[in-house]
Amino acid sequence: QKEVEQNSGPLSVPEGAIASLNCTYSDRGSQSFFWYRQYSGKSPELIMFIYSNGDKEDGRFTAQLNKASQYVSLLIRDSQPSDSATYLCAVLPYSSASKIIFGSGTRLSIRP
Amino acid sequence: DVKVTQSSRYLVKRTGEKVFLECVQDMDHENMFWYRQDPGLGLRLIYFSYDVKMKEKGDIPEGYSVSREKKERFSLILESASTNQTSMYLCASSAGWGEKLFFGSGTQLSVL
Repeated sequence: QKEVEQNSGPLSVPEGAIASLNCTYSDRGSQSFFWYRQYSGKSPELIMFIYSNGDKEDGRFTAQLNKASQYVSLLIRDSQPSDSATYLCAVLPYSSASKIIFGSGTRLSIRP
Repeated sequence: DVKVTQSSRYLVKRTGEKVFLECVQDMDHENMFWYRQDPGLGLRLIYFSYDVKMKEKGDIPEGYSVSREKKERFSLILESASTNQTSMYLCASSAGWGEKLFFGSGTQLSVL
């Protein structure tokens, strides 16, 4: 089992709709969770982080964390073509407090 | 504005060559990281450093070494390049453990 798992996609969503990206992790003691966005040919950039169970909202983005289910998700409301990118889920596991583990990413495509 | 600079955007090397990838950050960050990114595999940690002259192996250190003689500079060394080291190499830094990672623009290395 991979430490951080994501569906590779591509996930195709119509413009204006809600895009939902999901991630599961294996280390039950993990404390910190991150979402990075990576445009084609560019390096990743942090868009959201979450530490506590529940929802965290920032503009059109909402991160959701459910530690009991070992599940973290990213919702993008009112999707725009500029949201088309690969989204990387990253987790700081309890077993290794110094190494952030990345998932392989979900490719999101917003169709006009 | 924060900046992580990688010395080369593209590199082409021959099998058996010694390769140096340089990374410089201007944020006075303690932690620096080298990742490689391959399609379908996400970002995998090669080495990281939490202080000058201090280094720790990541998940895939074989065939690589690192050097951190100054706080702002972290070098990745391929002692004898092989074709399976063809990849995108990303340098990152962070202010502390579990903190946001700032990435450089990446070096696409091709080993022929």
